[in-house]
Amino acid sequence: EAAVTQSPRNKVAVTGGKVTLSCNQTNNHNNMYWYRQDTGHGLRLIHYSYGAGSTEKGDIPDGYKASRPSQENFSLILELATPSQTSVYFCASGRRGAETLYFGSGTRLTVL
Amino acid sequence: GEKVEQHESTLSVREGDSAVINCTYTDTASSYFPWYKQEAGKSLHFVIDIRSNVDRKQSQRLIVLLDKKAKRFSLHITATQPEDSAIYFCAASLNSGGSNYKLTFGKGTLLTVTP
Repeated sequence: EAAVTQSPRNKVAVTGGKVTLSCNQTNNHNNMYWYRQDTGHGLRLIHYSYGAGSTEKGDIPDGYKASRPSQENFSLILELATPSQTSVYFCASGRRGAETLYFGSGTRLTVL
Repeated sequence: GEKVEQHESTLSVREGDSAVINCTYTDTASSYFPWYKQEAGKSLHFVIDIRSNVDRKQSQRLIVLLDKKAKRFSLHITATQPEDSAIYFCAASLNSGGSNYKLTFGKGTLLTVTP
């Protein structure tokens, strides 16, 4: 089964601080995604990537940047964290041409 | 862009009964409709899907129906068991270029199966 590892599992940040969430997958998947999960909103797509060096904006990209330095790694960066970014963040990966996504265990971020 | 509405936010059934979760989508170009399950405190994993070239698919106790005319699809879980208790997410996928797809998720349905 596909392995997607997120770090950290939990993070507490201060308003205005910089936060980096990391995701690593070992299945050589081309596509990677960052979602956030909030009660009442479900899962919303923030950024995604179709390969190393490429990133695309999802449905709610404001306040977030993404980086895909290699096939295996995909980071989500909050340059100036705000309390509204308190959420659970999920990374997912998938093969090109295949729609099934494999999700990581999630990162719970609290911005105080 | 695509919007997916999941009609039931919570659903409670007795063990052994059937559960039905309904979703609608907006973009007629959507062609792939997966369902994901999230057990309490855990991540999401894929359970079943249906493509737009069929209107019914079954995998053991799970049945997915697709009505393209109404832009509606549903997950039926038959003979429910307590381990079916989870949040279920429906999603719709558009081809976003080449062979790449982008999933849009519904808000999730919390299914509780009581013994």
